[in-house]
Amino acid sequence: KAGVTQTPRYLIKTRGQQVTLSCSPISGHRSVSWYQQTPGQGLQFLFEYFSETQRNKGNFPGRFSGRQFSNSRSEMNVSTLELGDSALYLCASRDDRGFYNEQFFGPGTRLTVL
Amino acid sequence: AQKVTQAQTEISVVEKEDVTLDCVYETRDTTYYLFWYKQPPSGELVFLIRRNSFDEQNEISGRYSWNFQKSTSSFNFTITASQVVDSAVYFCALSEKDGSARQLTFGSGTQLTVLP
Repeated sequence: KAGVTQTPRYLIKTRGQQVTLSCSPISGHRSVSWYQQTPGQGLQFLFEYFSETQRNKGNFPGRFSGRQFSNSRSEMNVSTLELGDSALYLCASRDDRGFYNEQFFGPGTRLTVL
Repeated sequence: AQKVTQAQTEISVVEKEDVTLDCVYETRDTTYYLFWYKQPPSGELVFLIRRNSFDEQNEISGRYSWNFQKSTSSFNFTITASQVVDSAVYFCALSEKDGSARQLTFGSGTQLTVLP
């Protein structure tokens, strides 16, 4: 099976712009989670989507949003970018059919805000 | 609130040495799950192990071993006979009680450098 894929891998934006990141989960996985990784704050949970519904949300401002499509692919959007949004954004997918399943992470999208 | 502490920011060892990465956690839940992930320079988090709060049995997988002690709220990770390919950032993480791991709380990570 192919792993979790994320596009683009690298992105450079300027303050005030918006950005959309994409994540394709492992085939058959319906749960997709997003994490932000920065040197200062470390790895932080953004949100989780399952069957096109946001099921869980971390402590981030409303500028961070996401959605999931019927094929389980997910996108996250950041509006009005700030310098502090520069980070590695990681997507993870889970099978969710058993009681417990691990999250499998993609390679991430490295966003730089200038 | 859940919290994971990895006090060791950076560790440097010479190849073939054993190394232990420390992880201390805080949670009010009686049911919880602990994880270790490896992040090589490529950035992708690689799952290493999961342990639930009711299973304190230590685990060994090749050169890797894990020591879970509820009494001290610790879940330490030991690499025996380290290799250069073990160089990476290692994260300890904790998940909420339903075990779904939908939301992982990560420690700040330990950068391990194995020198040849």
